Amino acid sequence: KQEVTQIPAALSVPEGENLVLNCSFTDSAIYNLQWFRQDPGKGLTSLLLIQSSQREQTSGRLNASLDKSSGRSTLYIAASQPGDSATYLCAVRRGNNNDMRFGAGTRLTVKP
Amino acid sequence: IAGITQAPTSQILAAGRRMTLRCTQDMRHNAMYWYRQDLGLGLRLIHYSNTAGTTGKGEVPDGYSVSRANTDDFPLTLASAVPSQTSVYFCASSVSGRFSDTQYFGPGTRLTVL
Repeated sequence: KQEVTQIPAALSVPEGENLVLNCSFTDSAIYNLQWFRQDPGKGLTSLLLIQSSQREQTSGRLNASLDKSSGRSTLYIAASQPGDSATYLCAVRRGNNNDMRFGAGTRLTVKP
Repeated sequence: IAGITQAPTSQILAAGRRMTLRCTQDMRHNAMYWYRQDLGLGLRLIHYSNTAGTTGKGEVPDGYSVSRANTDDFPLTLASAVPSQTSVYFCASSVSGRFSDTQYFGPGTRLTVL
């Protein structure tokens, strides 16, 4: 069974810092990995999707990497801003079906 | 409407009652999904539908049923609610059910079963 873990559960940083969020998964046979952002009381917004054949994806200040062999992904946020404060979730997709497993998320607070 | 809407926003329900959570999307997406989100457990897939007229079971389907009579609507029914079904429920959709698709999420329904 695929297990997805995100550590730490919560992170607080001062504005302007570069930071890394971690996601690990137990089964390396994945099709893709996706990072989402969730604001309090809201749904999820997709940030980046990395296909299993890719090593990284970039969007603005965000960069996500994928290392299937070690079962790890990182989300790098450059020059963090208070508006980046949210919970960040990763999810892995195992097959060409709807089996997508989520981590519990990392709650990020960026202090002005 | 733009995107996915869910109703109600929140609900308190007595155990044993029947409840239907509504989900509507206006993006003409073929695939739709229901998840529940519990503290410390992340999101877990309850049921999904790859196209109108078809449905499938996810990771935690017991106690829930769904129907997909048309492309836009995907209601989730709790036939006889139990306290363990207290959760936040999210509906999502994607263009198709293929693994490469991005899923778009609704704002959620917060359900409390007493």
